Amino acid sequence: DTGVSQDPRHKITKRGQNVTFRCDPISEHNRLYWYRQTLGQGPEFLTYFQNEAQLEKSRLLSDRFSAERPKGSFSTLEIQRTEQGDSAMYLCASSLSSNEKLFFGSGTQLSVL
Amino acid sequence: DQQVKQNSPSLSVQEGRISILNCDYTNSMFDYFLWYKKYPAEGPTFLISISSIKDKNEDGRFTVFLNKSAKHLSLHIVPSQPGDSAVYFCAALGPSGGSYIPTFGRGTSLIVHP
Repeated sequence: DTGVSQDPRHKITKRGQNVTFRCDPISEHNRLYWYRQTLGQGPEFLTYFQNEAQLEKSRLLSDRFSAERPKGSFSTLEIQRTEQGDSAMYLCASSLSSNEKLFFGSGTQLSVL
Repeated sequence: DQQVKQNSPSLSVQEGRISILNCDYTNSMFDYFLWYKKYPAEGPTFLISISSIKDKNEDGRFTVFLNKSAKHLSLHIVPSQPGDSAVYFCAALGPSGGSYIPTFGRGTSLIVHP
């Protein structure tokens, strides 16, 4: 399977804990995106990478959120000191270039209790 | 400030009939549009796209129409099948400070009744 994979699929954590999600994009794709989706909303942009460079971050991305893409391959999204409002599905997507369609992973469903 | 709007949260259609899902956008810089389909607990999957240089793109049962002057696009599914029941998202891209970052609407939940 050469699609976008995300791990874990589900994460339940207590408020105040740190969590980290991983995304493995399609191997030849240069761009990697993180989105967040809550019930009744569309995917909301968080950040994206062009190879290993993080080029843009949404104002939704508070300083508790950090993303990395070392070596321009897989990416991690870490949320520190989780809050109940962080509960959402976190989606990773990749694309070949800037105006190409995105391929999404299955997402990580985060529940903060 | 929503730049991509899907004003119908839900749509119910009989099997075999046409489904029409609508999307409006406000940013005239958008020049590439996509439709995604999403099942519960899965990521969105790409369905069909259209560039602003076209006004129609067709792929099997799916056709997307673009009206640039009205900043409106629509997705037609003919004939609709029960397996088409899902949430459909419209997305738009355009140069924004040199970046192309897809902006999504809130989605329309389509239910196709047998």
